[in-house]
Amino acid sequence: GEDVEQSLFLSVREGDSSVINCTYTDSSSTYLYWYKQEPGAGLQLLTYIFSNMDMKQDQRLTVLLNKKDKHLSLRIADTQTGDSAIYFCAEIPPVGSSNTGKLIFGQGTTLQVKP
Amino acid sequence: NAGVTQTPKFQVLKTGQSMTLQCAQDMNHNSMYWYRQDPGMGLRLIYYSASEGTTDKGEVPNGYNVSRLNKREFSLRLESAAPSQTSVYFCASSEFSGGMNTEAFFGQGTRLTVV
Repeated sequence: GEDVEQSLFLSVREGDSSVINCTYTDSSSTYLYWYKQEPGAGLQLLTYIFSNMDMKQDQRLTVLLNKKDKHLSLRIADTQTGDSAIYFCAEIPPVGSSNTGKLIFGQGTTLQVKP
Repeated sequence: NAGVTQTPKFQVLKTGQSMTLQCAQDMNHNSMYWYRQDPGMGLRLIYYSASEGTTDKGEVPNGYNVSRLNKREFSLRLESAAPSQTSVYFCASSEFSGGMNTEAFFGQGTRLTVV
């Protein structure tokens, strides 16, 4: 079956780097995603990585993918108070799997940034 | 471009009452989803529709029904509300074609309280 796991809480000081980790179970997933949810709002896509990549960098965000260990991480450099939010990793199983069309999310990691 | 629109934004129901949550997307996406979000549990998939005319159960379908009215609209119905259905409900849509899923777009959520 499918499962995506994240730690629930991370606290960092403003200016430090944040690393949010995620493990997933479906090794055939094509895309892996990071979403951000600010208080009282819906989810917004932050970044994604294709499964044939090891790393993707997008300004302050770095995504690392270890397919062997089924481990995904999101690093936020120079974390700001505006980065305080809940971060979700998600996988989308490929066409032809029993989960075609489903989006599978982790529990979400609450990032607290202290000034 | 409105994206994904959910109505209502807030609702209070008495136990046993029924209601329908409405969702519409204007991005011509094939796939639509209903999730519920509870503290510490992330997003759990209630139902999804991979294409117009099809619906499938997700992780927590009991107590809910859905209708994919057309390509744009996907509604969620609670026939007899229970306090356990107090939650934040999110509708989402994504394009699913060519063997791949793309980014999922989310509505702003419906905050439902059942007393």
